[in-house]
Amino acid sequence: ELKVEQNPLFLSMQEGKNYTIYCNYSTTSDRLYWYRQDPGKSLESLFVLLSNGAVKQEGRLMASLDTKARLSTLHITAAVHDLSATYFCASVVSNAGKSTFGDGTTLTVKP
Amino acid sequence: NAGVMQNPRHLVRRRGQEARLRCSPVKGHSHVYWYRQLPEEGLKFMVYLQKENIIDESGMPKERFSAEFPKEGPSILRIQQVVRGDSAAYFCASSGWGVETQYFGPGTRLLVL
Repeated sequence: ELKVEQNPLFLSMQEGKNYTIYCNYSTTSDRLYWYRQDPGKSLESLFVLLSNGAVKQEGRLMASLDTKARLSTLHITAAVHDLSATYFCASVVSNAGKSTFGDGTTLTVKP
Repeated sequence: NAGVMQNPRHLVRRRGQEARLRCSPVKGHSHVYWYRQLPEEGLKFMVYLQKENIIDESGMPKERFSAEFPKEGPSILRIQQVVRGDSAAYFCASSGWGVETQYFGPGTRLLVL
């Protein structure tokens, strides 16, 4: 059974600082997604990573994938308050179709 | 170009009643997924359906829960004889093919009193 683990689960950081969220998954994955969720809201798709070494960037967020280590990272550069949210990674195995989610990382950016 | 639609957005039920949650996928999408999110937790897969077929229901509780995606109309997640532990946000997602990006609906927040 595919398992996805994120760490840390909670992250409090100062504006302007950098940090990385880690996502480990237990078996071969075909796609790795990162989502953002604001309180009481649905999931917003941030990135989809398809192959080893894939790197995608959008604003202050950068996601990468290492399929050999079964690890994806979400790096936050010079955090701002608007980035406060819960971030989820999710892995999809092609035959299954379903997404297996990590438990989420709740990020709080303090001024 | 409407995205995934879910209704109702909020649903309050008393213990023992039935809850029906509806999901209309993105136009043209034939794959629907249901996920449940308990408070302060991540999303857990429940069921994966294609038109008129249940592909994977490994995440669905064996009793009281059922899902369908008829040839016409929305997908329905039905919870019979609800209990307080069913209180959660239920999200529906759709995709064009099984491994393409899943688009999530706004969710239905079920509260069981």
